[in-house]
Amino acid sequence: SQQGEEDPQALSIQEGENATMNCSYKTSINNLQWYRQNSGRGLVHLILIRSNEREKHSGRLRVTLDTSKKSSSLLITASRAADTASYFCATDASGGYQKVTFGTGTKLQVIP
Amino acid sequence: DAGVIQSPRHEVTEMGQEVTLRCKPISGHDYLFWYRQTMMRGLELLIYFNNNVPIDDSGMPEDRFSAKMPNASFSTLKIQPSEPRDSAVYFCASRTGEYTGELFFGEGSRLTVL
Repeated sequence: SQQGEEDPQALSIQEGENATMNCSYKTSINNLQWYRQNSGRGLVHLILIRSNEREKHSGRLRVTLDTSKKSSSLLITASRAADTASYFCATDASGGYQKVTFGTGTKLQVIP
Repeated sequence: DAGVIQSPRHEVTEMGQEVTLRCKPISGHDYLFWYRQTMMRGLELLIYFNNNVPIDDSGMPEDRFSAKMPNASFSTLKIQPSEPRDSAVYFCASRTGEYTGELFFGEGSRLTVL
């Protein structure tokens, strides 16, 4: 089963523009993570935000978390063609069981 | 460390055959996860282990699927008998026991059942 849903499902932007992806989830969480997947490859971790944090930055990435709305967003600033990939949010369910489930993903295309 | 290692990378088999997918997690990681990825259903959690013990197998689709982790460095996912609808990419991932620990994914095993 999937915990989260992301929107948009697909996003196409020009190089240099910002890309924003949103994730909604259903149950209480310990943390929320974002991953990237290049075509035909495994997922790679980008950033983690804990349930008691509201915003986090890492390089060109900015993540926000609103636990009252059960939603998160990932912003990639000054996008590059190399950012073309699928992006997934993943939630680490609370309750001590460390069950990690993924959203449906956003496919990002950055046009040079 | 070489990362999470999965084998085979590609498997083509005929309906009814047994399929075994293998995973070697990163040394020292306490958790191991098996996921299945398809266009229709996205990335589904099948089962995960903590210290070699299955914790939650509610995502295993049917009795045809089974997973084992006989020791800390090896896990298998078996499908017997396989069906065309099992065609997917199967990922293994591992992590430490920390809540702030990221998942490390293997490159996946692409299964095609004819």
